[in-house]
Amino acid sequence: DGGITQSPKYLFRKEGQNVTLSCEQNLNHDAMYWYRQDPGQGLRLIYYSQIVNDFQKGDIAEGYSVSREKKESFPLTVTSAQKNPTAFYLCASSIIMVPSGANVLTFGAGSRLTVL
Amino acid sequence: EDQVTQSPEALRLQEGESSSLNCSYTVSGLRGLFWYRQDPGKGPEFLFTLYSAGEEKEKERLKATLTKKESFLHITAPKPEDSATYLCAVQAYTGGFKTIFGAGTRLFVKA
Repeated sequence: DGGITQSPKYLFRKEGQNVTLSCEQNLNHDAMYWYRQDPGQGLRLIYYSQIVNDFQKGDIAEGYSVSREKKESFPLTVTSAQKNPTAFYLCASSIIMVPSGANVLTFGAGSRLTVL
Repeated sequence: EDQVTQSPEALRLQEGESSSLNCSYTVSGLRGLFWYRQDPGKGPEFLFTLYSAGEEKEKERLKATLTKKESFLHITAPKPEDSATYLCAVQAYTGGFKTIFGAGTRLFVKA
């Protein structure tokens, strides 16, 4: 079945550590996204990528980094510079975005990061 | 300022008690409005896309409608398995794409 696989499901980080969340998709989608979900707030965009080797900052990119070396993969690193990293992280993908259209996002199951 | 507001924050229904969830939005260059369902600890799942005012879409007990300023998700005769958080999102294009999510409505349906 086609879909998005995120790992790990749960992750614990100590202060000062960098952690990397994995996101792999087999939907042949061109665009991939990382969102952060906090209680009582809408999903907020961290980074997105529309093509291999290119990515753009979203609304809350500070303290995060990404790479897009393969079409199928879009890992997110939460660095020690992110002051409040405890959250639920969602990876998503879509077909390439065109100005005339609206693009459905397909989400992974999420990764919950907790800072100890 | 572009904004999506969902109400109520939480809704408790008895099984069979129909109701509606609201999503109001202010955005320029609207391309589409989406409804997603999210179960606890999982990623959102796509339900509907609405593109223009007056459009309606249905799926089982759910019906989504759209006006120029808001969307409603009507739930008819809900069952306990309809319990979830329902997210509304708008997608706009003003020189660049933007997707804005509401905070969601948590729906609890009691048997």
